Amino acid sequence: NAGVMQNPRHLVRRRGQEARLRCSPMKGHSHVYWYRQLPEEGLKFMVYLQKENIIDESGMPKERFSAEFPKEGPSILRIQQVVRGDSAAYFCASSPPSSGWSNEKLFFGSGTQLSVL
Amino acid sequence: DAKTTQPNSMESNEEEPVHLPCNHSTISGTDYIHWYRQLPSQGPEYVIHGLTSNVNNRMASLAIAEDRKSSTLILHRATLRDAAVYYCILRESGGSNYKLTFGKGTLLTVNP
Repeated sequence: NAGVMQNPRHLVRRRGQEARLRCSPMKGHSHVYWYRQLPEEGLKFMVYLQKENIIDESGMPKERFSAEFPKEGPSILRIQQVVRGDSAAYFCASSPPSSGWSNEKLFFGSGTQLSVL
Repeated sequence: DAKTTQPNSMESNEEEPVHLPCNHSTISGTDYIHWYRQLPSQGPEYVIHGLTSNVNNRMASLAIAEDRKSSTLILHRATLRDAAVYYCILRESGGSNYKLTFGKGTLLTVNP
């Protein structure tokens, strides 16, 4: 059973370009989370999605950032018109459908390192 | 998630036990205690979790104080591969507890 797959592993963009980060959850997992880790800072929650639904996007910047998790295919985190401050490691995590969150664990991918020139 | 307090850093020698403390004095009765770790250039990795009783798995042991206001992650024999940031996280029952709230964690250095 493959783990959470993120690609690309490294992404370089120039200011003003678009960045698309992909996340394939573990098999059987229908919940996806995106986290961002800025240099020398901790992991910050961005968004929580279930298939075709955004459940909680309270950690997403109001502009330029969007996320989706379609019925088929990977979850996508999209950053439009990137700026240098978007340079960070972006991690995706997944979990199975659960009725007991406090007892559930998340499985994280290896992340995408975004560098904005 | 409720607040936890961990030392910023700890140091250990290879093949010695490591005890990583975590204080969570405001824990409520139904909060689970979770530990994750993040190796360099990797995503976080689940280590262990528990509610009231001590827990053991292949990676570590979790010792939970009787009043549940603190816990200790125990690595029985540290290896160089255990060098990582260790996060102690409380997951509340109900509400928006689907998301993990990471603090600064403890940076563990393992000396050869």
